[in-house]
Amino acid sequence: EDQVTQSPEALRLQEGESSSLNCSYTVSGLRGLFWYRQDPGKGPEFLFTLYSAGEEKEKERLKATLTKKESFLHITAPKPEDSATYLCAVQPDSNYQLIWGAGTKLIIKP
Amino acid sequence: DVKVTQSSRYLVKRTGEKVFLECVQDMDHENMFWYRQDPGLGLRLIYFSYDVKMKEKGDIPEGYSVSREKKERFSLILESASTNQTSMYLCASRTGGGSYEQYFGPGTRLTVT
Repeated sequence: EDQVTQSPEALRLQEGESSSLNCSYTVSGLRGLFWYRQDPGKGPEFLFTLYSAGEEKEKERLKATLTKKESFLHITAPKPEDSATYLCAVQPDSNYQLIWGAGTKLIIKP
Repeated sequence: DVKVTQSSRYLVKRTGEKVFLECVQDMDHENMFWYRQDPGLGLRLIYFSYDVKMKEKGDIPEGYSVSREKKERFSLILESASTNQTSMYLCASRTGGGSYEQYFGPGTRLTVT
């Protein structure tokens, strides 16, 4: 069964304290892995697409990496405005639907 | 930039009412999706459309229907609203080939009383 698991469920960091969020997946063929940011009461905002193991993408303080079984979202020297829920999703070969993780709620304290 | 808009940010309806939620995208995307998002349950797909007048059921289609008469517009219909349909409703779109990322609208917070 296709599945996506994100950890931890919640992460509290001090401003400037770097860390990583994890997204592990089991799918029958991977067309793409996606990271989104979601602020409370708003729709998810697309961040990155990763297609193959070894690929990396960066945007400001965020860097996403991909292996054959998991992806990491590294946050370097975070600021309070990085506080949000980060969602991971995968696109299997088999159909149109994305398989979504439950998200990691990130809180950055000033 | 991709823009997906939804007809309302907040909506309050009574039990039994027929509810229409509309979504419009301006990027000529072939595929469109309706999700609902509830605390602890994450994003769940209700219906999607891969082309005009084409639709497929997602994971939780019961109590919902959809309409896609034009490429840019995808409507979600609650035939007879119930309190368990109180939720955040999110519309998304994506291109039909190549990249698979979905772009989301701002969401509609629907409350059924």
